[in-house]
Amino acid sequence: NAGVMQNPRHLVRRRGQEARLRCSPMKGHSHVYWYRQLPEEGLKFMVYLQKENIIDESGMPKERFSAEFPKEGPSILRIQQVVRGDSAAYFCASSPTATPERNTQYFGPGTRLTVL
Amino acid sequence: LAKTTQPISMDSYEGQEVNITCSHNNIATNDYITWYQQFPSQGPRFIIQGYKTKVTNEVASLFIPADRKSSTLSLPRVSLSDTAVYYCLVGDPNSGGYQKVTFGTGTKLQVIP
Repeated sequence: NAGVMQNPRHLVRRRGQEARLRCSPMKGHSHVYWYRQLPEEGLKFMVYLQKENIIDESGMPKERFSAEFPKEGPSILRIQQVVRGDSAAYFCASSPTATPERNTQYFGPGTRLTVL
Repeated sequence: LAKTTQPISMDSYEGQEVNITCSHNNIATNDYITWYQQFPSQGPRFIIQGYKTKVTNEVASLFIPADRKSSTLSLPRVSLSDTAVYYCLVGDPNSGGYQKVTFGTGTKLQVIP
């Protein structure tokens, strides 16, 4: 029973390039969440998606960042024209449903983005 | 989401019981308390969740007093592998149909041989 998969685990980009981070949720999970963690800080919510829908993107920067979760395939977090401040660990989490009383999220191993 | 306050760090010797307390004075009626564990270079892992009184699983216990303004995560007989950051989160899992959480800096537990 595979957990949440993220790839790549490490990504190096130069300023101005694009970064694409992928997340495959656990089998049977249709809800995906993306978080960003800066060094020595806690995780911060970015966006919540269901299949083909963005439910809440209130934590995502207004420019350069976008996310999708297509009907088929993994969820993608896309960062255009990366800057050094985008360097962080990006975690994806999934959950089977959004409404049970004790919903919990299952996290992937993260993608560490380094912008040179 | 209710604001939480935890100690920044704690040290413990192997084999001891560790108690990490989290304050959440503004907890709302529908809020649950959830604890996560994060090892370096890994994503957080769910440990335990509770609403009131005491919850126990194979990993930890969670003690919640009647006023619910704080909670204590108890780790019995810690080992070196329990060295990690522990996050306390408070929120309503049913709000808007999802949990939108922002993790604080957590409590960095260092287990000493």
